Amino acid sequence: AQSVTQPDIHITVSEGASLELRCNYSYGATPYLFWYVQSPGQGLQLLLKYFSGDTLVQGIKGFEAEFKRSQSSFNLRKPSVHWSDAAEYFCAVVFTGTASKLTFGTGTRLQVTL
Amino acid sequence: GAVVSQHPSRVICKSGTSVKIECRSLDFQATTMFWYRQFPKQSLMLMATSNEGSKATYEQGVEKDKFLINHASLTLSTLTVTSAHPEDSSFYICSARPGLNTGELFFGEGSRLTVL
Repeated sequence: AQSVTQPDIHITVSEGASLELRCNYSYGATPYLFWYVQSPGQGLQLLLKYFSGDTLVQGIKGFEAEFKRSQSSFNLRKPSVHWSDAAEYFCAVVFTGTASKLTFGTGTRLQVTL
Repeated sequence: GAVVSQHPSRVICKSGTSVKIECRSLDFQATTMFWYRQFPKQSLMLMATSNEGSKATYEQGVEKDKFLINHASLTLSTLTVTSAHPEDSSFYICSARPGLNTGELFFGEGSRLTVL
């Protein structure tokens, strides 16, 4: 079955430290890849997406992600975390042939300490 | 980016009543909308795919008679939770796909339903 895995349920980093959130998807043709952020009680905001081309994608709020086909991964990174980045982060994938159905990972809750 | 609006953002109802949640695409036409359900501290689970002018396609395990979806226009889809029970309490989120775009979806702010 097609699946998306976010191995880290909860991550805590200090403000100013770098961040990497992991995302792996089940093997298959290159899908469309997304990272979303959700603040408590809110909907989802798109941080960045990958459809094709350059495997390093820049997003909003200083985030970037790198698609690695060999590892079926799409990890999210930020060089310096701000306290306002504390939220839930979801990796999501549209697998080929699924008519734009997004499959979500289980999410990673980011806590930022001052 | 495109804007998707959900209403109401919060609703509390008594057990046995029905609740309607609206999802509107404000600045684009959405041929397809998706409804998700999110339990506390969990990921989003796709409930159904709503196509304008046709019946919704429900995911396995989702009761189509309990969760009625109507997509009457290119800018509006509604989810009606019929005869709601406490176990239906959840955060419901819609998303919309503009036109022929096959990838990116835009999400509403979500609607928190509490059934007493």
